[in-house]
Amino acid sequence: DGGITQSPKYLFRKEGQNVTLSCEQNLNHDAMYWYRQDPGQGLRLIYYSQIVNDFQKGDIAEGYSVSREKKESFPLTVTSAQKNPTAFYLCATKAGWGNQPQHFGDGTRLSIL
Amino acid sequence: AQKITQTQPGMFVQEKEAVTLDCTYDTSDQSYGLFWYKQPSSGEMIFLIYQGSYDEQNATEGRYSLNFQKARKSANLVISASQLGDSAMYFCAMRESNNDMRFGAGTRLTVKP
Repeated sequence: DGGITQSPKYLFRKEGQNVTLSCEQNLNHDAMYWYRQDPGQGLRLIYYSQIVNDFQKGDIAEGYSVSREKKESFPLTVTSAQKNPTAFYLCATKAGWGNQPQHFGDGTRLSIL
Repeated sequence: AQKITQTQPGMFVQEKEAVTLDCTYDTSDQSYGLFWYKQPSSGEMIFLIYQGSYDEQNATEGRYSLNFQKARKSANLVISASQLGDSAMYFCAMRESNNDMRFGAGTRLTVKP
C-alpha cells in the first residue's frame, strides 16, 4: 500500500517534554516537508529536506528539529523550546524538482496536557 | 508580505450549482506553479489541480477548473455541479523558483442540500 504514514494520529505532551512525530513514505520521493496548521489557518512550513542527510529551515523552525537519515523517513521533534506546540502537523512529500504537487499524510494532532 | 491571498473565509453554494473560490498571488518570478488543495474535516490534504505559469490553457480536472488570469495574478478555482461531499476547506498554494510552497489561509466551502 503506497503512501505517507504519519504517526501517531493524536499526541499529548507535558510541559517541558520533547516529542517526536513520525513521517514515513514508500513513494520513493526525494523531498519531504513538515507543516504546522493552527485552527482556521493555512499551512506554515517548519522544515524541508530535498535529499537524504540535508534539510533546510522553513518559516517557523524555532523550537523544532528534524533529521533525514533515510529517504523514507523524516521525523519531526517538537522540543520544550516550542512554547505553543498545540497544532495539527502535516508531513508532505514531492517527487523530483519540477512542479509536481506535494502529497500529504493524514496528520498528527498535538495537544498540551 | 502575503504571497497568497484568499479573501473569502467562507462560501455557501447550493447543491448542483457552480462556485468560484478566489485566489490572488504575489511573485516576481517568471516561472511558478499554482495549486489547489481540498481539506475535509478529517484533516488530510487532497491535491485537486495545478496550473503552471507558462501554461496558456486553463487547467481542468473533472468538475474542477482553474481560471488563470496571469496579468491580474489570480488563480480562481471553479467547482461545477457542487456536491455535498465538496464541503471542506480549500487552499490555494504557489511554488516559486526557490521551490518553497506557500499556502493561503483557506476558504471554507459549505454545500447546501
